[in-house]
Amino acid sequence: ELKVEQNPLFLSMQEGKNYTIYCNYSTTSDRLYWYRQDPGKSLESLFVLLSNGAVKQEGRLMASLDTKARLSTLHITAAVHDLSATYFCAVDTPMDSNYQLIWGAGTKLIIKP
Amino acid sequence: NAGVMQNPRHLVRRRGQEARLRCSPVKGHSHVYWYRQLPEEGLKFMVYLQKENIIDESGMPKERFSAEFPKEGPSILRIQQVVRGDSAAYFCASSPQFRYARGPLSDEQFFGPGTRLTVL
Repeated sequence: ELKVEQNPLFLSMQEGKNYTIYCNYSTTSDRLYWYRQDPGKSLESLFVLLSNGAVKQEGRLMASLDTKARLSTLHITAAVHDLSATYFCAVDTPMDSNYQLIWGAGTKLIIKP
Repeated sequence: NAGVMQNPRHLVRRRGQEARLRCSPVKGHSHVYWYRQLPEEGLKFMVYLQKENIIDESGMPKERFSAEFPKEGPSILRIQQVVRGDSAAYFCASSPQFRYARGPLSDEQFFGPGTRLTVL
């Protein structure tokens, strides 16, 4: 069974701290996405990682991909309250003759002032 | 530029009624995807459509659920004889190119605001 596992599922942290969210997947893939979702809202694309060793940064968020380890990380530097949200990773994977996005369960991040 | 639009945003139905969810993709996008999200969970793929064509419906329940994307007008996800277990958020996404054109960002998906279905 294809699985995408995120950990932790819930994270409460203080402003100014650093932390990393992990996304492990169980199948071969060359494409991984990170999305952000605010409560009751839609999903906002953060990063698309296309190859092994890919690293992308936007503000206080940095994402990386290791296709050999089947692992992606989302690192938060000096967290601020505005980053409170649920973060999802999704892996593009072949299903028969198609590709589908398989989603992690999400990491709910609460950043306290 | 309008993004993906979904309506209604909230829908309440009684068991046994029909639910019709609409999705208008980004202008110029001809590919639409439907996902279901249960509370505190990630998204589950349901169906992938191109105009007048279902590309992949492997995530759709075999009964009561159907989807279409006509030549004119929005994509429709239809749920017949709803049950309480159908209560969820339903998201639509669109992309500009064919899913199998594996260019750098050819199939990046843009999401709508979702329809939150509550079955009483």
